[in-house]
Amino acid sequence: NAGVTQTPKFQVLKTGQSMTLQCAQDMNHEYMSWYRQDPGMGLRLIHYSVGAGITDQGEVPNGYNVSRSTTEDFPLRLLSAAPSQTSVYFCASSYSWTRNTEAFFGQGTRLTVV
Amino acid sequence: RKEVEQDPGPFNVPEGATVAFNCTYSNSASQSFFWYRQDCRKEPKLLMSVYSSGNEDGRFTAQLNRASQYISLLIRDSKLSDSATYLCVVNRGYQKVTFGTGTKLQVIP
Repeated sequence: NAGVTQTPKFQVLKTGQSMTLQCAQDMNHEYMSWYRQDPGMGLRLIHYSVGAGITDQGEVPNGYNVSRSTTEDFPLRLLSAAPSQTSVYFCASSYSWTRNTEAFFGQGTRLTVV
Repeated sequence: RKEVEQDPGPFNVPEGATVAFNCTYSNSASQSFFWYRQDCRKEPKLLMSVYSSGNEDGRFTAQLNRASQYISLLIRDSKLSDSATYLCVVNRGYQKVTFGTGTKLQVIP
């Protein structure tokens, strides 16, 4: 029962570097999303997707890109890392984000930008 | 005003105690509500959905008060394993899912 798999678990980047956080789910969920979690801020939505080929911006999309070429995968790309992007990143998936629908989260990626 | 507000705590309670958390939300168009649990350095996991009529799952009871725009979580007979951060989640649609900052609970032996 893999659920939602995120890689890597930890990453240190230098300012200006780019990288991709991987997220894969094996539950055939249509809805996938990326959040960042910062102390005192709660989880904030970066981007989300309601199905393959469909993505949209969340609350804090600047500096991040996403794509959804398959139902299973939803990678998050940091274009040019900045110290302000130091955070814990969670990928989540759900059958749909409506009442009574559980969201399953990956284990998180702890990213430090120096 | 934040869209979803929670008392960050920590709530330090002895084993066996009853503890209650509230979460207020500002947008009356909010449609659905959840409580998630997050252990230290782990991912959030669904604890329970919150229904208008109130709902119970074992030692946990959730209530929704639309008139006053808050949801609550009551934990009875607290266990050491209940120690965690409890996140309130309010949903107004796909792009309008808002997490509270969480309430930290520490159950003491």
